[in-house]
Amino acid sequence: AQKITQTQPGMFVQEKEAVTLDCTYDTSDQSYGLFWYKQPSSGEMIFLIYQGSYDEQNATEGRYSLNFQKARKSANLVISASQLGDSAMYFCAMRELTTDSWGKLQFGAGTQVVVTP
Amino acid sequence: DTAVSQTPKYLVTQMGNDKSIKCEQNLGHDTMYWYKQDSKKFLKIMFSYNNKELIINETVPNRFSPKSPDKAHLNLHINSLELGDSAVYFCASSRSPPGEQFFGPGTRLTVL
Repeated sequence: AQKITQTQPGMFVQEKEAVTLDCTYDTSDQSYGLFWYKQPSSGEMIFLIYQGSYDEQNATEGRYSLNFQKARKSANLVISASQLGDSAMYFCAMRELTTDSWGKLQFGAGTQVVVTP
Repeated sequence: DTAVSQTPKYLVTQMGNDKSIKCEQNLGHDTMYWYKQDSKKFLKIMFSYNNKELIINETVPNRFSPKSPDKAHLNLHINSLELGDSAVYFCASSRSPPGEQFFGPGTRLTVL
């Protein structure tokens, strides 16, 4: 079963606007981590932000913030003040900290973001 | 100061051939991973090594054999390449216990 669901295959956003990328997850673990990665057209995977399941505050990194709603099992990424360079594929991922997971990341299908002038 | 490097970046080969992809990290991490990204951009774990020991093997065909000569290196050897092996292969590393994973630039494998 799919553990990470990203329901938006693609989005257009205007420059300088904020955009929210949806991510829901499925786990019975109490201890887990949620990640967002950016993959521009050049192909590399760039780590953006991390939220631990026990973190009480939402994670923020510059223009990126993670809207963590534990009861709803959602971990949406908010990009504020979009820039043309934000055009990329964005992946949500989860790491379940059980003894047989050893940190493997399980990825969602991704959301393609296109920022327009 | 490349953190995680992979060679080659592109690999084009014929069906049936054997090929290797190399990965090196200079972050001092002790856990390394191989992921496969298919044509639909879906990323899936293949293998993970911790301190040169295989800890994750995600039902990958045994034509794929990872090898970790030391903590800083994790290579992927593929025998008898098939068309379906065409994908981008990413190496990643993290500290242990697992922290954020840093990815290499990827190797685009095309099997003709």
